Amino acid sequence: NAGVTQTPKFQVLKTGQSMTLQCAQDMNHNSMYWYRQDPGMGLRLIYYSASEGTTDKGEVPNGYNVSRLNKREFSLRLESAAPSQTSVYFCASKVSPNTEAFFGQGTRLTVV
Amino acid sequence: GENVEQHPSTLSVQEGDSAVIKCTYSDSASNYFPWYKQELGKRPQLIIDIRSNVGEKKDQRIAVTLNKTAKHFSLHITETQPEDSAVYFCAASPTNAGGTSYGKLTFGQGTILTVHP
Repeated sequence: NAGVTQTPKFQVLKTGQSMTLQCAQDMNHNSMYWYRQDPGMGLRLIYYSASEGTTDKGEVPNGYNVSRLNKREFSLRLESAAPSQTSVYFCASKVSPNTEAFFGQGTRLTVV
Repeated sequence: GENVEQHPSTLSVQEGDSAVIKCTYSDSASNYFPWYKQELGKRPQLIIDIRSNVGEKKDQRIAVTLNKTAKHFSLHITETQPEDSAVYFCAASPTNAGGTSYGKLTFGQGTILTVHP
């Protein structure tokens, strides 16, 4: 039972490049989330998927897109990376709204 | 939208002392308030949570109190140990216009807790 798994763990991109962050959970959770963590700012919600087949914007969605591929997988895409997107990205999942969010190990992304 | 303010940003205590971290929130419809601990380079992990129908919850050395009228909640750690040193985040679960939360979390800015042996 791996929980929430993110790939890659580290990535360096040049400005303008694109990439997709992958997230998969094996806990049969309904809801999945993407957060970014910047120093002194806590975690901020980028996009979420309340259930398979639905996605919606969070607090800071600009420059990102998501795909809920199936119940297990929720990917985050940067179409044209910018230095302001340098951050640590966490994927999380929940079985239902007011329950524990389980986080992946994070992806440290640097855009130069 | 929801706004969560967390204080203090840093907290230094001696081993065995108590530590208190406070958070305020703005959305009176928020009904779920978790606390996460994050060690350096690791993922956030839930340490305790409280729902809006409860005023206090305790789990061994950790307790959380909630004052819905004042819209604030606090984390209390007693008999602190060096392994309690980490960043602690509070969070609130905001709702949309229809009153549904979808499990979204708005986090505070974090408190760096250092416990000195």
